[in-house]
Parts: sequence; structure tokens; C-alpha cells
Amino acid sequence: NAGVMQNPRHLVRRRGQEARLRCSPMKGHSHVYWYRQLPEEGLKFMVYLQKENIIDESGMPKERFSAEFPKEGPSILRIQQVVRGDSAAYFCASSPGTQGKTEAFFGQGTRLTVV
Amino acid sequence: AQSVTQLGSHVSVSEGALVLLRCNYSSSVPPYLFWYVQYPNQGLQLLLKYTSAATLVKGINGFEAEFKKSETSFHLTKPSAHMSDAAEYFCAVSLIQGAQKLVFGQGTRLTINP
Repeated sequence: NAGVMQNPRHLVRRRGQEARLRCSPMKGHSHVYWYRQLPEEGLKFMVYLQKENIIDESGMPKERFSAEFPKEGPSILRIQQVVRGDSAAYFCASSPGTQGKTEAFFGQGTRLTVV
Repeated sequence: AQSVTQLGSHVSVSEGALVLLRCNYSSSVPPYLFWYVQYPNQGLQLLLKYTSAATLVKGINGFEAEFKKSETSFHLTKPSAHMSDAAEYFCAVSLIQGAQKLVFGQGTRLTINP
């Protein structure tokens, strides 16, 4: 059973370009969470999605950031018109649900560098 | 709102010595508490979690943590450090058992001296 797969592992973008980060949850997991880790800081919650639904996006910046988790395919975190401050590690986690003794399994992250 | 404070951004111990990483939390309701480990350029791996059962929680790799409600603490310990324990450790709190909106501390970088 493969773990949470994120790609690419490293992404370099010039200021003003778009960044697309992909996350394939573990098999059987229908809940996906995105976190951002700025240099020398802990992880900060961004968004929680289920298939085709955004459940909680209270941690997402109001502009330029969007996320989706379509019925088929991976979850996508999209950052438009990137700026240097977007440079960070972006982690995706997945879980099978919210009831009972569930836990999140994290991917290895995508390290975004904006030059 | 919940918050987590990890005391000491860097901790250095000798191989074989006791490891103690401190975590204090604030929460308006009984929390669920987690410790994660992050090796360089890797994702986070769950070490252990407190979910209102036993207050002393045993995790992987010989780590354990004790939930102390009176002190609002969830410190992580290991009796004898190994070189392989060198990593970044994150304490996190949640109001529910799942992964939704985990609130993380800033992390403690553990260095092991030979």
C-alpha cells in the first residue's frame, strides 16, 4: 500500500508564474489536508478537502491560492502569480475519515522555491 | 483557539543520554495531542498520540510522552538517545482525533553528540 504521494518533490518557479502541487492520498483515503511549512517554522493548516468538496479553507490565503480534490485524480494545490514569500514546503496528508481512531499520514512534501 | 508551545528550538544531548522535548498546549476543551518526527527532506511521521485513554503514551522508536492536564503539558522523552534520533520534532494539538486542522508547534531540532 503506497503512502501519500506528492509531486513534484522540488519545484522552482519564477515570480509571476503558476505553481501546481499534486497529492495522491493513500488508497482508501477520501480526506486530504494541505499544510505549509515556512522556513524555521512549524506546519500551518491551509485547507481540508473531501472528494469534490472543500470542507475547511480557513487557512488558505484569500488570493492566488486554490485547492481541489476531483472525483478522479489527485488533489491539486494551485498558486497563481507566485511571489518569493510563497517559497516553502507544502505537505499533504490524508486520512480515511473523521470518525473513530483515524490519523493523518503525511507525504514527503513539495519544496517550492520562487526565484 | 488551540495553541502549542515547544520550549527550545534546539536541543542537544549526548548519545545514550535522556532526551526530553517540551510541549505545552492551550485548549478550551480536552485536546488530542500528537508528536511527529521529521527527518531531513522527509515528510512527518507520527511518533505517538494521546486520545484521552492512558495518560502515559508509548510510541515508536522507544519514545513516550505523558499527558499532564494540570500542567497543560505533553513532554516527549526517551531514556537513551541514539544517533538516529537526530531530527526535527513537532508537537501538535487537535480538537478531534483526525487530522483536521492540526495546530503545530514551531518544532525542536534534536542533535545527538557522539
